[in-house]
Amino acid sequence: KQEVTQIPAALSVPEGENLVLNCSFTDSAIYNLQWFRQDPGKGLTSLLLIQSSQREQTSGRLNASLDKSSGRSTLYIAASQPGDSATYLCAVPNDYKLSFGAGTTVTVRA
Amino acid sequence: TAGITQAPTSQILAAGRSMTLRCTQDMRHNAMYWYRQDLGLGLRLIHYSNTAGTTGKGEVPDGYSVSRANTDDFPLTLASAVPSQTSVYFCATAWGGELFFGEGSRLTVL
Repeated sequence: KQEVTQIPAALSVPEGENLVLNCSFTDSAIYNLQWFRQDPGKGLTSLLLIQSSQREQTSGRLNASLDKSSGRSTLYIAASQPGDSATYLCAVPNDYKLSFGAGTTVTVRA
Repeated sequence: TAGITQAPTSQILAAGRSMTLRCTQDMRHNAMYWYRQDLGLGLRLIHYSNTAGTTGKGEVPDGYSVSRANTDDFPLTLASAVPSQTSVYFCATAWGGELFFGEGSRLTVL
């Protein structure tokens, strides 16, 4: 059974600091990993999709790495801004569905 | 851009009543999903459909039914609502291994 863990559960940083969010999964036989952002009361917005053949994926200030052998992915957000405050979730395929982590809630202080 | 449209946005329902949550997409994605999100339990898959005409049970299917008459619509029905079905319900589609979410329907069963 695939289990996904995100640590820490919450993070508060001053504006401008780089963010490092961690995601670990128990079954390394995945074909991709997806990072999402969720604002309060809203749906999930896809940030990055990393295929198993890739080691990292970048979009603007966001960079996600994937190490299948160790069962880990890391989302880096450079030069954080108050608008980055949200909950970030990672998800991996698990049979016919995605298994989600519980998320890391980020607060960026102005 | 519409993407995925869910309705209603919010609903209060008396226990024992039936309710259909609507989900419509304009992206022509084959795969569609219904998740519920609960504090402390994260996102859990209720039902899914890999293509029009087929459906499957997810992790928590009891008390829910779905149909997939065409590519665009994937309604979720609660035949006789119970308080434990109070939750936020998200419809999602998938394309190329990437998942896309609607804005959610908040349901309260009293």
